[in-house]
Amino acid sequence: SAVISQKPSRDICQRGTSLTIQCQVDSQVTMMFWYRQQPGQSLTLIATANQGSEATYESGFVIDKFPISRPNLTFSTLTVSNMSPEDSSIYLCSFTTGAWETQYFGPGTRLLVL
Amino acid sequence: DAKTTQPTSMDCAEGRAANLPCNHSTISGNEYVYWYRQIHSQGPQYIIHGLKNNETNEMASLIITEDRKSSTLILPHATLRDTAVYYCIVRPNNAGNMLTFGGGTRLMVKP
Repeated sequence: SAVISQKPSRDICQRGTSLTIQCQVDSQVTMMFWYRQQPGQSLTLIATANQGSEATYESGFVIDKFPISRPNLTFSTLTVSNMSPEDSSIYLCSFTTGAWETQYFGPGTRLLVL
Repeated sequence: DAKTTQPTSMDCAEGRAANLPCNHSTISGNEYVYWYRQIHSQGPQYIIHGLKNNETNEMASLIITEDRKSSTLILPHATLRDTAVYYCIVRPNNAGNMLTFGGGTRLMVKP
C-alpha cells in the first residue's frame, strides 16, 4: 500500500492563529479525506478532498474554518483557522486508491491550542 | 451515526485468542464490514474486511454470521502490542468511500 505522511506531527499554537497541515502520499490516489479526533473521542470526518474540485464538508464543518486544498493526486492541506482551545485534536488525513478500495490513514497531527 | 455496536472494552490474556464482537443488524446487502485498530496516539490501521465469507490474513480472521447481522474479529495469539481500540465499520454504499467511526472496543492485552 502507499505510504502517507503528515506535517507537522504535532504543534502547540496560540488562540486566534491558523495552522496548515500537510498530507503527502507517495503515489497518486483518488480520494483524500480529513478527520478530526478530539481527546478521548472517536474519529469524525471533516471533509472529502478530490483533486480539481471543491472539498465536500460534513455537517458542522465549514470552509472558512477548515479550508482545504488538493492541488494534485498526491498532496492535500487542511488549515485550521482562527484557532481556539476547542480545536485541540488529532487531525488525520486518509485516502483510497479507488471506489470501494481500502482506506488508509496517516499518522496524524496532534494540535494543542492554548 | 455509526451502524455498528461494539462492547466498550475487553481484556485478553497474552498468548490467548482475542475475540472482538460487532453487531451490524441493519447492514445492507452490498455493504462490507471493515475492521481497523488505533494504537495509542497513532493513525488507524487497517486490519481486514469482508462481505459475507469468512476472511483471514496475517493479522486476523473475520467471521461473519450467515445473516450478516454480526461479525467477530479474531486475533489468534494476542500480544501486548495488540492493545488498542478496535473499530468495526460498515461502509455505506451510497455515500462515497469514507468510513464512519463509532466508539470501538478498547482491547487490553494483559501479561
